[in-house]
Amino acid sequence: AQTVTQSQPEMSVQEAETVTLSCTYDTSENNYYLFWYKQPPSRQMILVIRQEAYKQQNATENRFSVNFQKAAKSFSLKISDSQLGDTAMYFCAFMNLHSGGGADGLTFGKGTHLIIQP
Amino acid sequence: NAGVMQNPRHLVRRRGQEARLRCSPMKGHSHVYWYRQLPEEGLKFMVYLQKENIIDESGMPKERFSAEFPKEGPSILRIQQVVRGDSAAYFCASSPRTRANTGELFFGEGSRLTVL
Repeated sequence: AQTVTQSQPEMSVQEAETVTLSCTYDTSENNYYLFWYKQPPSRQMILVIRQEAYKQQNATENRFSVNFQKAAKSFSLKISDSQLGDTAMYFCAFMNLHSGGGADGLTFGKGTHLIIQP
Repeated sequence: NAGVMQNPRHLVRRRGQEARLRCSPMKGHSHVYWYRQLPEEGLKFMVYLQKENIIDESGMPKERFSAEFPKEGPSILRIQQVVRGDSAAYFCASSPRTRANTGELFFGEGSRLTVL
C-alpha cells in the first residue's frame, strides 16, 4: 500500500514570499502520478498541479512548481510570490497509474495548513 | 458547465437515523468516487463507481454503508443507523471516461454530516 506523508501541519509566511511545502511518499510502484490539491475555507478540493512519475521535468503552473525527486520519493510544492488567496489546506496525493482510480487511486497526505499573512 | 454538485451541504442526524448524501457528477463524467474527511485528516477513499456498477468499495465499511450510481439520477451514499463516529465531511469526485486513468478528479464542495 502507498503512504503519503506531509510533515508540516502548518506554515505561515508573509505575502509575496516564497514558500515550500514538503511531501514524501512510499511506494513499490514505478508508474504513478503525484498531485497537490488545495482546499480553501470553502472546502472544495482544487487541483493545483500534477506530475507524472515518468517525466523528469518538474511540473509548473504559473506561481506553482514542484521539486520531484523520484529516487528520494519526495514531491515538494513551491509557491512563489504568495498571495492572500493562497491561504488554504494543501494536500499531497498519490495515484497508481494502472489502477484507474479506486483504492489504489488517490491516496492523500494529512495536509499542511498554509497561512499567508498580509 | 456545472461542476460536481453535492447535496445537502450540511446534514444533521441523531444516532440511529439514516443519512443519504447525493452527488451529481459533471456533465459527461461516468466515474464517481466518494471520499471521507475526518477533522484534521486528509481524504480517505471509500468507493469508486461507474454507471450501475461498483468498481471498488474496499474503502467503505462493510456494515451500514452503501453506495449506488444508477443509470439515471445522482450517485447516493447511504449510511444507516448513524453513529457519532460517522460525523465527517463526505466528498464526491468525478472523472470523464477518457481520462479515468490520469487521476484528474473534479471534486464537489462536500457534504458535512453531523451526528448528534
